[in-house]
Amino acid sequence: SQTIHQWPATLVQPVGSPLSLECTVEGTSNPNLYWYRQAAGRGLQLLFYSVGIGQISSEVPQNLSASRPQDRQFILSSKKLLLSDSGFYLCAWGRQYPNEKLFFGSGTQLSVL
Amino acid sequence: AQSVAQPEDQVNVAEGNPLTVKCTYSVSGNPYLFWYVQYPNRGLQFLLKYITGDNLVKGSYGFEAEFNKSQTSFHLKKPSALVSDSALYFCAVRDMRTNAGKSTFGDGTTLTVKP
Repeated sequence: SQTIHQWPATLVQPVGSPLSLECTVEGTSNPNLYWYRQAAGRGLQLLFYSVGIGQISSEVPQNLSASRPQDRQFILSSKKLLLSDSGFYLCAWGRQYPNEKLFFGSGTQLSVL
Repeated sequence: AQSVAQPEDQVNVAEGNPLTVKCTYSVSGNPYLFWYVQYPNRGLQFLLKYITGDNLVKGSYGFEAEFNKSQTSFHLKKPSALVSDSALYFCAVRDMRTNAGKSTFGDGTTLTVKP
């Protein structure tokens, strides 16, 4: 069966510090990978998605970047965090085909102080 | 472009009563439609989907949803609510033609079921 791991669960970082959130998927190959941000327990905003190694599409301009160094690894990064980067970050994967539902990680609560 | 509207931030029902959580969508092509549920400080869990076929789809935990193309709606329903159904519910849409599978989510509806 497939599983998705996302860590850390909670992170408190000072403004201006770097960020690295990691997400890995097991039990499948060549997944579509996604990073979403959820503000204040409400709607999800798609930040990045990837259809293959090294292929990253950004949905909104921001202080964050994403990388996919391996097929089932997706990393969200920042060189210098801003207060506005605080939020709940969710990694998700979906099959390339059939291209249907998403499977979500358990999320990372990021607080930038 | 695609979008989802969940017109109610909050839905309150008594245990044992039927519940409905509303969702309307906009998409250029034919839609894939989904409902997800989120419990506090957790990721989203898939409930059900409409891809094609019967307009009434059944999912996990006794939930069902009805696809209405003319009204561009996909309301989530359950005949008898449980206290344990209390959670945040998200509707999502994706254009069937999109290979990357980018889903657009609504802002969520908080369902509270009272004993």
